[in-house]
Amino acid sequence: EDQVTQSPEALRLQEGESSSLNCSYTVSGLRGLFWYRQDPGKGPEFLFTLYSAGEEKEKERLKATLTKKESFLHITAPKPEDSATYLCAVQEGTSYDKVIFGPGTSLSVIP
Amino acid sequence: GAVVSQHPSWVICKSGTSVKIECRSLDFQATTMFWYRQFPKQSLMLMATSNEGSKATYEQGVEKDKFLINHASLTLSTLTVTSAHPEDSSFYICSATQFNEQFFGPGTRLTVL
Repeated sequence: EDQVTQSPEALRLQEGESSSLNCSYTVSGLRGLFWYRQDPGKGPEFLFTLYSAGEEKEKERLKATLTKKESFLHITAPKPEDSATYLCAVQEGTSYDKVIFGPGTSLSVIP
Repeated sequence: GAVVSQHPSWVICKSGTSVKIECRSLDFQATTMFWYRQFPKQSLMLMATSNEGSKATYEQGVEKDKFLINHASLTLSTLTVTSAHPEDSSFYICSATQFNEQFFGPGTRLTVL
């Protein structure tokens, strides 16, 4: 059965304290892995798509990496405005556009 | 990125009434749209895949007669919650795919009294 897990469930950081969020997956043939940011009461905001092991993508203070079993979202010198829930989703090889979401990591950045 | 809108952003209704939620892709055409529901502090749960011009594909455990989906055009999908009950209160989010990337609407908060 395809599964996506994320850790930690919640993370509290001081402003400027870098850290990483983890997304582990088991799917029969990864077609794509996606990272989203979700603020309370809003829809998810697209961040990155990763397709193959070894791939990396960056956007401002965020960097996403991918291996054959997991993905990391690295946050460098976070600011309070980075506080949000970060969702990981995977697309299995034969599912066309359908994706499976992980439970998310709730990030709080304290000034 | 692509823009997806939802209407209404929130709705309060009485138990037993039906509620329609619209999802539009504003600057692109989407042959496939998805409907999710999200409970507080939980992740998104896929309800159904909406295909333009054909019947929706529902996930296991989702009642197709209760959650009616219509995808009448390449830019519009609608979700109708029929005979809504308090347990249907939730945050409903749609998404549309462009170039294999899903873009989400802002969500609709449904409260059934």
